[in-house]
Amino acid sequence: GDSVTQMEGPVTLSEEAFLTINCTYTATGYPSLFWYVQYPGEGLQLLLKATKADDKGSNKGFEATYRKETTSFHLEKGSVQVSDSAVYFCALTPYQGGSEKLVFGKGTKLTVNP
Amino acid sequence: ETGVTQSPTHLIKTRGQQVTLRCSSQSGHNTVSWYQQALGQGPQFIFQYYREEENGRGNFPPRFSGLQFPNYSSELNVNALELDDSALYLCASSLLAGGPVDTQYFGPGTRLTVL
Repeated sequence: GDSVTQMEGPVTLSEEAFLTINCTYTATGYPSLFWYVQYPGEGLQLLLKATKADDKGSNKGFEATYRKETTSFHLEKGSVQVSDSAVYFCALTPYQGGSEKLVFGKGTKLTVNP
Repeated sequence: ETGVTQSPTHLIKTRGQQVTLRCSSQSGHNTVSWYQQALGQGPQFIFQYYREEENGRGNFPPRFSGLQFPNYSSELNVNALELDDSALYLCASSLLAGGPVDTQYFGPGTRLTVL
């Protein structure tokens, strides 16, 4: 079945460091890929998405490129801030033309220290 | 534009009781999905409602049931509560229009504690 595997956390970085959170997926067909972020005590917010191979999603300095050949969607940011501290979830939606459920990874907790 | 709202924010129940959680979808959206997020885990898909009908279900027992109303708001009902049902319940709305999926937008969640 469809699944998402993402880098185990927690990840601790200093402010202005480079961030990479790895995400790989298994899916039949051509899924859409997402990164969601969850701040403490809150629900999920969409960070970025990509709907086809080689698409790059970007938002708030974060980027991820849909790599079909490596079935990956790694999240990157060149310079993290303390306010980026949160849990990051990689997810996919298999395009089946019907129920479009999201399949999530387990999440990666990021802490950025000043 | 009003976002996705959920009520209540927190809820405490005891084993064997029943609970109803509510969700109002974002304006213009016709689909509501429910997810269960256990502590330290990613959300797990419970089911989805489209045009008042169940449109897909995850690996959850029948005591998890739902409704969608003509205004696209939704309820999640859980009967015979178990300790393992303690979790954050997330509702997400989206627009299903016969093509590639639109983004799902999440509410803040309802934290359910079962004692």
